Amino acid sequence: DVKVTQSSRYLVKRTGEKVFLECVQDMDHENMFWYRQDPGLGLRLIYFSYDVKMKEKGDIPEGYSVSREKKERFSLILESASTNQTSMYLCASSSTSRGYLSYEQYFGPGTRLTVT
Amino acid sequence: AQTVTQSQPEMSVQEAETVTLSCTYDTSESDYYLFWYKQPPSRQMILVIRQEAYKQQNATENRFSVNFQKAAKSFSLKISDSQLGDAAMYFCAYLAGGYNKLIFGAGTRLAVHP
Repeated sequence: DVKVTQSSRYLVKRTGEKVFLECVQDMDHENMFWYRQDPGLGLRLIYFSYDVKMKEKGDIPEGYSVSREKKERFSLILESASTNQTSMYLCASSSTSRGYLSYEQYFGPGTRLTVT
Repeated sequence: AQTVTQSQPEMSVQEAETVTLSCTYDTSESDYYLFWYKQPPSRQMILVIRQEAYKQQNATENRFSVNFQKAAKSFSLKISDSQLGDAAMYFCAYLAGGYNKLIFGAGTRLAVHP
């Protein structure tokens, strides 16, 4: 089974702190994603990466950066956390294979971040 | 830009009954994928069912089936013989060109009553 893990389920940080959220997948997937989930808005893509050291902006990249130094690990960084970044953050991964299960994204359990 | 709309923020169903969750999308592409994901309370998001746009036949997975109307850009999810474990947030998602970027609807919260 594909397993996507995230470093924390719950996190409380203060305004202005630098925050690291880490995601690890064990299926050798090429693609990794960071989403933000807010009530009534669904999931919105922050950044994604299709290869090591490669990244592309999603729909809401402002205030965030990412790092992918190894294929299995994708980190989301909040350089200076603000209260409007309080949210649920979901990591996902997928393969670029064109097989039957291609393009399905597998999700981690989420990190609920509160910025006070 | 592609958009996905789920017009029902909340739905409820009695155990063993059938419920249909609605989803519409907007795109100018002809080749794409559609998904329904389930997010149980405090649990991981999992894939329920997928539909390739080039396939006319509606996808089914056990008690879950879709009604895919490509011309109408509609992709509804039918859950038959509802069970208590079906209670969750359900998200409709569209896989955009390049097959990397999922676009999600706002979600429908389904309650199942015994």
